[in-house]
Amino acid sequence: QSVLTQPPSVSAAPGQKVTISCSGSSSNIGNNYVSWYQQLPGTAPKLLIYDNNKRPSGIPDRFSDSKSGTSATLGITGLQTGDEADYYCGTWDSSLSAGVFGGGTKLTVL
Amino acid sequence: EVQLLESGGGLVQPGGSLRLSCAASGFTFSSYAMSWVRQAPGKGLEWVSAISGSGGSTYYTDSVKGRLTIFRDNSKNTLYLQMNSLRAEDTAVYYCAKGLITSGMDVWGQGTTVTVSS
Repeated sequence: QSVLTQPPSVSAAPGQKVTISCSGSSSNIGNNYVSWYQQLPGTAPKLLIYDNNKRPSGIPDRFSDSKSGTSATLGITGLQTGDEADYYCGTWDSSLSAGVFGGGTKLTVL
Repeated sequence: EVQLLESGGGLVQPGGSLRLSCAASGFTFSSYAMSWVRQAPGKGLEWVSAISGSGGSTYYTDSVKGRLTIFRDNSKNTLYLQMNSLRAEDTAVYYCAKGLITSGMDVWGQGTTVTVSS
């Protein structure tokens, strides 16, 4: 059971928008930055978002995130078939003094 | 080019030991905290451990405390994970990553596979 809760799967059509939620608590999301990662099949994870909606160089602005209280949400607009992947949220948990990930969400672009 | 290259994975019996290495290049290694993340077969990502740039501060997930040790040699631009008293549940692909989970791990290695089995 992951400390952060994500839906196991989401789906949407090409060109549409999808959101992926990440629910935590005051000891993690509520008081720490959240980062988001994309993992394409058979590859290492890639950083998408960090430090309150910042994107590394090369990540398009189709990817964004927002946070409210103890929950964070990744948004992806203009869905492409190449976006099919597993997505993970992660943050620091101050009570555990450890990093924590969500269980991951599989995105299917229909 | 910023790059991380893990090595040292393999098959080990329960109770055995293994040392993973992560060779860094393309950035000032000593200026950055580093992390280890693992992924069991068919499962999600699990944060394992992190270390400050100087090596003076280390952090671990509860399930590995006392068995896995993270350390670094900044003169060799290399991160390590010493794995002792290995268990079947430690079987996973182990990734090293540049940075911390809270500020974003922006560079990842290709991963090295550890299999704990008799």
